[in-house]
Amino acid sequence: EDKVVQSPLSLVVHEGDTVTLNCSYEVTNFRSLLWYKQEKKAPTFLFMLTSSGIEKKSGRLSSILDKKELFSILNITATQTGDSAVYLCAVLYQIYNQGGKLIFGQGTELSVKP
Amino acid sequence: KAGVTQTPRYLIKTRGQQVTLSCSPISGHRSVSWYQQTPGQGLQFLFEYFSETQRNKGNFPGRFSGRQFSNSRSEMNVSTLELGDSALYLCASSLTGSPEQFFGPGTRLTVL
Repeated sequence: EDKVVQSPLSLVVHEGDTVTLNCSYEVTNFRSLLWYKQEKKAPTFLFMLTSSGIEKKSGRLSSILDKKELFSILNITATQTGDSAVYLCAVLYQIYNQGGKLIFGQGTELSVKP
Repeated sequence: KAGVTQTPRYLIKTRGQQVTLSCSPISGHRSVSWYQQTPGQGLQFLFEYFSETQRNKGNFPGRFSGRQFSNSRSEMNVSTLELGDSALYLCASSLTGSPEQFFGPGTRLTVL
């Protein structure tokens, strides 16, 4: 059965800390891995990773994919209270080269205290 | 460019009723996917439409159905509502051939 597992499920840190969120997957027909941020509304896109070892970076956030070990990490440095959200990892399962579906992990709920 | 829009934003129904939710994708996006989000199960894939055809389907009962129109707008229908159908229903659109999906604000359905 295809699955995506995130850890930890929840995390409480203080402003300025650095956090690492983990995502492991077992998905056949893997195409890409995507990270989303969800704050009481629709998920907003952060990163898409397709190739191993290539870091994607956006400000204080960065992510990398390891297709051999089947995992990805999302790093957030110098956390701010505005980073408090649920971070979702999703794997795009490709079906017969005609689109696909996203398989989501349970999410990591990050709370950043002032 | 306007984002994905969903209507209504909130809906309250009773068991046994049916409901129709609407989704308008980003202009130029032809693929529309639907997801159900609940606290217990997280985000789960319902189905994907492309060019008015259902291309992929998740593991949901036949009470859940959908369709897509020629302008790429999509509707999702749930018949014979059950309490467990209470959830946030999210719609996402994407460009042809792109894995990046953009989500709408969702419709919060409460079944009493």
